[in-house]
Amino acid sequence: DQQVKQNSPSLSVQEGRISILNCDYTNSMFDYFLWYKKYPAEGPTFLISISSIKDKNEDGRFTVFLNKSAKHLSLHIVPSQPGDSAVYFCAASFYGGSQGNLIFGKGTKLSVKP
Amino acid sequence: GAGVSQSPSNKVTEKGKDVELRCDPISGHTALYWYRQRLGQGLEFLIYFQGNSAPDKSGLPSDRFSAERTGESVSTLTIQRTQQEDSAVYLCASSSDRGDPLHFGNGTRLTVT
Repeated sequence: DQQVKQNSPSLSVQEGRISILNCDYTNSMFDYFLWYKKYPAEGPTFLISISSIKDKNEDGRFTVFLNKSAKHLSLHIVPSQPGDSAVYFCAASFYGGSQGNLIFGKGTKLSVKP
Repeated sequence: GAGVSQSPSNKVTEKGKDVELRCDPISGHTALYWYRQRLGQGLEFLIYFQGNSAPDKSGLPSDRFSAERTGESVSTLTIQRTQQEDSAVYLCASSSDRGDPLHFGNGTRLTVT
């Protein structure tokens, strides 16, 4: 039973437009959420995170929104660039991420077309 | 400084053989994780080491899988009597004990023929 779900396996966006990647979770005890980006043949790299006490966190072109009542978070990339083309993983954890493992979704492959 | 280093980067083995995968975490990181990613799947947690505490082995899929960590440094993941379903990319990650995000290595791609 998947606790973290990314229902869109792929997304294609035009350069300069907004990319919106979605993630749903089932366990209301999760209190820390992260997005990782993965290029082929490389390990995932951390992109942005959000604590459950917040509903928005912004870092440059990347913004993560958290809707606790809907158990839903999203990653917005604006403007999208061809270099953003990668697989994006949503992850969740307990205890503010300070211990224990992260639970990952299956990923969404983003393609940004020039 | 250096990131998480994993070796080998690729490993092809015959079904039934044992394999050993190595991970060198970032110096000073007390937490070390092993994940695997099968084709078309997400990252599947295997095992977690935190300092001198007993490891969390709850993700190991069978008793053919084991892992060790020497102090707060190198870790090895051993798979005995490999099966074809063990084929995956095995990813190691480390983090500090302050809840910092995980830093992943580039993984070992294991192919069992």
